[in-house]
Amino acid sequence: EVQLVESGGGLVRPGRSLRLSCAGSGFTFDDFAMHWVRQAPGKGLEWVSGISWDAYNVNYADSVKGRFIISRDNAKNSLYLEMNSLRVEDMALYYCAKGTFPAVSGTSLWFDPRGQGTLVTVSS
Amino acid sequence: QSVLTQPPSASGTPGQRVTISCFGANSNVGSNSVNWYQQLPGTTPKLLIYRNNQRPSGVPDRFSGSKSGTSASLAISGLQSGDEADYYCAAWDDRLNGRYVFGTGTKVTVL
Repeated sequence: EVQLVESGGGLVRPGRSLRLSCAGSGFTFDDFAMHWVRQAPGKGLEWVSGISWDAYNVNYADSVKGRFIISRDNAKNSLYLEMNSLRVEDMALYYCAKGTFPAVSGTSLWFDPRGQGTLVTVSS
Repeated sequence: QSVLTQPPSASGTPGQRVTISCFGANSNVGSNSVNWYQQLPGTTPKLLIYRNNQRPSGVPDRFSGSKSGTSASLAISGLQSGDEADYYCAAWDDRLNGRYVFGTGTKVTVL
C-alpha cells in the first residue's frame, strides 16, 4: 500500500529556516519523481517544487525559487524540502505527492488519501 | 498565483450534470495534458482525471474530462451529495524551465 508521511512542520519566525521530510513506502521510490504542494488556510492548491527520480532535474514555483531547495535520498525513500528565508506568505499545509513518471514534467500527482500534510506557520 | 482560471463556484441538484471550465494558455493547457483533482472537505486532493480524459481506477464514470485548445472541462453527471468538494484543474507549464500549475479551484455545491 502506497504511503507518504510528511513531517518537520512547525512554528517559525519570518526569515528563519525549516526542513520538511516525506517518507515514502509501498512503491519503488526511485522510479518516480516527487513533488511538494502547499495549501494556505482557506486557499487553493499551489505546486511548490518537483524533483526527478535521480535528482538530476528540479523545478520550483516562482514564489519559492532561490529560497527553497528540494532534495531526495533514494536509499532512505525520503524527500526533503529545505525552506529558507521564510515569509508569512509561506504559511501553509505542505503535502508530499508522488509523480506518475520518473521525470518531473508532464506529470499528474498522487496524494496519499491518509496523508495529513505538515503545517508550516510563519509568524513573529 | 494560479495561471489556470476556473469559475469560483458551481452548483446543481442531485442527479443533474455540472460542468467546470478551466482556461489556460498555449504553454500549459494548450501543449500539455490536463489533470483534475477533487478535494473533499478536510482531506487531501485526489486525482480524478489524468491525461485530459482518463479516469484512475476506482473513479466513477460519472466524472469525465475533455480538452480543446487552451481550455479544458470537467463534467460531473448524476450529481450526488458526496460530490460536494473543491475541484482543481492542473497542467505542466513549459515556461521558465517548467512548472506545474493548478487552477484557481471551483467549489461544487449540491443543492
